[in-house]
Amino acid sequence: AQSVTQPDIHITVSEGASLELRCNYSYGATPYLFWYVQSPGQGLQLLLKYFSGDTLVQGIKGFEAEFKRSQSSFNLRKPSVHWSDAAEYFCAVARSRDNYGQNFVFGPGTRLSVLP
Amino acid sequence: DTEVTQTPKHLVMGMTNKKSLKCEQHMGHRAMYWYKQKAKKPPELMFVYSYEKLSINESVPSRFSPECPNSSLLNLHLHALQPEDSALYLCASSLGTVNSPLHFGNGTRLTVT
Repeated sequence: AQSVTQPDIHITVSEGASLELRCNYSYGATPYLFWYVQSPGQGLQLLLKYFSGDTLVQGIKGFEAEFKRSQSSFNLRKPSVHWSDAAEYFCAVARSRDNYGQNFVFGPGTRLSVLP
Repeated sequence: DTEVTQTPKHLVMGMTNKKSLKCEQHMGHRAMYWYKQKAKKPPELMFVYSYEKLSINESVPSRFSPECPNSSLLNLHLHALQPEDSALYLCASSLGTVNSPLHFGNGTRLTVT
């Protein structure tokens, strides 16, 4: 069965510092991987996605992620964090469900706090 | 701005009430979803509609009743809920293919008293 783990429940970084959020997945075939961000009381916003090809993908808000098949990882990075990046971050893997649309398996989330 | 609109933003209801949550998208997506999210947890899938037909029901109690009147609209009818049903209810839509991302609305914050 597919699963997604995010080892860090909560991370605190200073504004301007670099950021890396970890994501590991378990999936038999080539995974379809996504990172979402959720601000308090809001819905989830797509940051970036990986299907195939270049293993380094660029997203919105200056985020990027690197797919490493050998490590079953899809870590999210940002070179310089802004106070507005404080939010909950979810990694997700998608799979088809018997040709009736896809199903997303979400990781437990990592809460990011940013110090001024 | 989100392209998936959910109403109302907040809802407080008693355990004997009947209410409905509404979701609308105009992106031409053919798959629509209801998710439930408790505090500090990831979203949990409840229902999936594909081409206006219910394709996935994740063993959700019958006090939750989904409806998809057309390809742009998705409702969730609520009846005889329990306090533990209090949560953020998220609607999402997608093209429905395995590599298409979900587009989420901002959710309805439901409190059952």
